[in-house]
Amino acid sequence: EPEVTQTPSHQVTQMGQEVILRCVPISNHLYFYWYRQILGQKVEFLVSFYNNEISEKSEIFDDQFSVERPDGSNFTLKIRSTKLEDSAMYFCASSPAGIFYEQYFGPGTRLTVT
Amino acid sequence: QKEVEQNSGPLSVPEGAIASLNCTYSDRGSQSFFWYRQYSGKSPELIMSIYSNGDKEDGRFTAQLNKASQYVSLLIRDSQPSDSATYLCAVNMLAGNQFYFGTGTSLTVIP
Repeated sequence: EPEVTQTPSHQVTQMGQEVILRCVPISNHLYFYWYRQILGQKVEFLVSFYNNEISEKSEIFDDQFSVERPDGSNFTLKIRSTKLEDSAMYFCASSPAGIFYEQYFGPGTRLTVT
Repeated sequence: QKEVEQNSGPLSVPEGAIASLNCTYSDRGSQSFFWYRQYSGKSPELIMSIYSNGDKEDGRFTAQLNKASQYVSLLIRDSQPSDSATYLCAVNMLAGNQFYFGTGTSLTVIP
């Protein structure tokens, strides 16, 4: 069964460093998403991406964040200058169609900022 | 403020019983509703989707939607210890291209 994959599973970085989190969505899906989940808190939407552009972003997704689909398979989230409060699980999700349809989540990347 | 509310629990049921999980949402225009299961340290796993009022059954799971009351629920019949997890309600609210998640209900099924 196709699944969303994410790398790395765990990333440790120092405050102020740039990190890139990688995702490979399910191959025939058209919509891609990033969410984050701070430990013990709810899953929060960051950004949605369709047709090579951002379709929506939340207040969390400020200028420190960017997304890119550099080729036909990868979908990346870049955090330009990490802060302690960026420590969280980051989940990539994909959907075969639009926002009204199921989203399938990858296993997540645990980001620890020290 | 768009909100999805769930009773955080913990909810404990004996093995074989019915577990009932509830969710309310703030946006009356919401059109699609989802239940995810999340084991500790893992990612959300889709269990059910429901789009129209009424019940939708899939195996031991039944989702119920009442748009007039802005209420969605999940029933788990014949609960098993492996059902012990946090159950997340997710709602697509009409005004945005995103899901809003509740904080989740922690379910423990006691053998």
